Amino acid sequence: SQTIHQWPATLVQPVGSPLSLECTVEGTSNPNLYWYRQAAGRGLQLLFYSVGIGQISSEVPQNLSASRPQDRQFILSSKKLLLSDSGFYLCAWSLGQSATNEKLIFGSGTQLSVM
Amino acid sequence: AQSVTQLDSHVSVSEGTPVLLRCNYSSSYSPSLFWYVQHPNKGLQLLLKYTSAATLVKGINGFEAEFKKSETSFHLTKPSAHMSDAAEYFCVVREGYQKVTFGTGTKLQVIP
Repeated sequence: SQTIHQWPATLVQPVGSPLSLECTVEGTSNPNLYWYRQAAGRGLQLLFYSVGIGQISSEVPQNLSASRPQDRQFILSSKKLLLSDSGFYLCAWSLGQSATNEKLIFGSGTQLSVM
Repeated sequence: AQSVTQLDSHVSVSEGTPVLLRCNYSSSYSPSLFWYVQHPNKGLQLLLKYTSAATLVKGINGFEAEFKKSETSFHLTKPSAHMSDAAEYFCVVREGYQKVTFGTGTKLQVIP
């Protein structure tokens, strides 16, 4: 069966420090991968999505970047965190090209507090 | 470009009364539409999805949604609210297999 792992669950980082959040998927190949941010009162915002290794699409200009070094690994990074980067980050996956209606499966999320 | 608008950020209903959570979308193509629910301190769970097979979609926990192309709407309804329905609900539009856009969410409060 497919599973998605996201870590860490919580993170407190000082302003200006680097960030690396990791997400891995098991039990499937060539998934579409997504990073969302849920800020208080602002719903879920799509940050990045990837349809394959090394293929990253950015949805909003921001202080963050994403990478996909392996088929089932998706990493969210920042060189220098800002206070506004605080929020709840969710990784998600869905099946690839043949599944136009397939649902998203979400990881358990990372609560990031930048102080 | 696709977008999703959830018309109400907060909805409050009494237990046993109907629930209506509104969602409008815009899309250049024939989109797929979903409703997700997020309970406090829990992950996101799929409630239902529109797959173009039928305009009235039934989901889990007694929820259903009707796709109205002429109104570009996909409102979520339930005949009788239960206390356990209190949560945040997200309307989602998906074009093709890549881009998935969430609405800003509607928090449902159920009053006993």
